[in-house]
Amino acid sequence: SQKIEQNSEALNIQEGKTATLTCNYTNYSPAYLQWYRQDPGRGPVFLLLIRENEKEKRKERLKVTFDTTLKQSLFHITASQPADSATYLCALGEDGGATNKLIFGTGTLLAVQP
Amino acid sequence: DTGVSQDPRHKITKRGQNVTFRCDPISEHNRLYWYRQTLGQGPEFLTYFQNEAQLEKSRLLSDRFSAERPKGSFSTLEIQRTEQGDSAMYLCASSPTSSGNTIYFGEGSWLTVV
Repeated sequence: SQKIEQNSEALNIQEGKTATLTCNYTNYSPAYLQWYRQDPGRGPVFLLLIRENEKEKRKERLKVTFDTTLKQSLFHITASQPADSATYLCALGEDGGATNKLIFGTGTLLAVQP
Repeated sequence: DTGVSQDPRHKITKRGQNVTFRCDPISEHNRLYWYRQTLGQGPEFLTYFQNEAQLEKSRLLSDRFSAERPKGSFSTLEIQRTEQGDSAMYLCASSPTSSGNTIYFGEGSWLTVV
């Protein structure tokens, strides 16, 4: 069956440390993968996109890796801050942009302690 | 800033009643999406429009659900004869065709069926 799995438990880290979130998928062939941030009661906000032929993408304190052999993406937040506390969603796109339809994981709740 | 706008943000309705949600996408975005999200889950795709044409519908979209985008601008999602299982957040998103696969979400419309 098809699955997208993210860290099942909430991730608690200390301010200033690097947070690493995982996204593993089974029986999908994504053309690209995206990460979104979602605050309680709000809609998801786009953070980063990485394509199947890219190994790594960076944006300020954020870094995403994509390993199509392991079927895994890692999402890193360096020098984490309490304001980074939120749920982070990974989403797969299989159709190469024909529709931009996304398939989401369940999300990982990140709590950064001051 | 004219992001994706959804209305109403919250709706409480009695079982069996009909409800309608409206979405105003980012202007000039010709693609529009509806997703549904329940607590602790990621968003699930419901349907997709390219301009006024509804090009894809999920199996999640039962006969009680209907979505329209009559002039290729705003969209409505109607749920008839609501059931308690319809309680969720209904998210609208939009993208231009050449977005590079990024879609932009609204803040969502919360539905509680009592």
